[in-house]
Amino acid sequence: QSALTQPPSASGSPGESVTISCTGSSSDVGGYNYVSWYQQLPGKTPKLIISEVSKRPSGVPVRFSGSRSGNTASLTVSGLQAEDEAHYYCSSYAGINTWVFGGGTKLTVL
Amino acid sequence: QVQLVQSGAEVKRPGASVKVSCKASGYIFTSHAITWVRQAPGQGLEWMGWVSGFNGNTQYAQNLQDRVTITTDTSTNTAYMELRSLTSDDTAVYYCAREMGVCFDYWGQGTLVTVSS
Repeated sequence: QSALTQPPSASGSPGESVTISCTGSSSDVGGYNYVSWYQQLPGKTPKLIISEVSKRPSGVPVRFSGSRSGNTASLTVSGLQAEDEAHYYCSSYAGINTWVFGGGTKLTVL
Repeated sequence: QVQLVQSGAEVKRPGASVKVSCKASGYIFTSHAITWVRQAPGQGLEWMGWVSGFNGNTQYAQNLQDRVTITTDTSTNTAYMELRSLTSDDTAVYYCAREMGVCFDYWGQGTLVTVSS
């Protein structure tokens, strides 16, 4: 159960697009269509923003999108807004009712 | 509306145990599992374990399985997480979250557990 690998930081200017990667293995990210992404605003509880690799829960803006290629999943935030500044965590199902999280990426809106 | 309400902050001595509760409302408790996640100060999220709301089956993270027990009480729609033999490394905010499919759609407010002598 090794943590998924995310870059510690990412940044972009308002209106730009930013992509955050999440690398695992064939035992988690690459083995299941069950990658999810969570946004954690400063001092707040994590919020689900992407499920099952690319599904957006109701109420999540369309500028958030997810994808996966092999053992690496990605979250793209298009049309960056100041309110998107937060920590983002990926998570993957890893079999037999176990999950693993990424180390988190701090997104800064310049 | 779905709510997960956790018990209050705890301060424990090294070597002690802590038990955190998570009371669910707004949905059928036995239809969803509950997972526990912790976050050390300034650190990322760490998955700790999972309990089925239906039958109480559990699964734990390998690095915690000797010290953690997760249970449910379906009569009160409450899940519990007990962590034993606490050290300073266990100082963290502990979250419960509802499993929806294979992701976590509702989270408790978090419980700060501080381990200090």
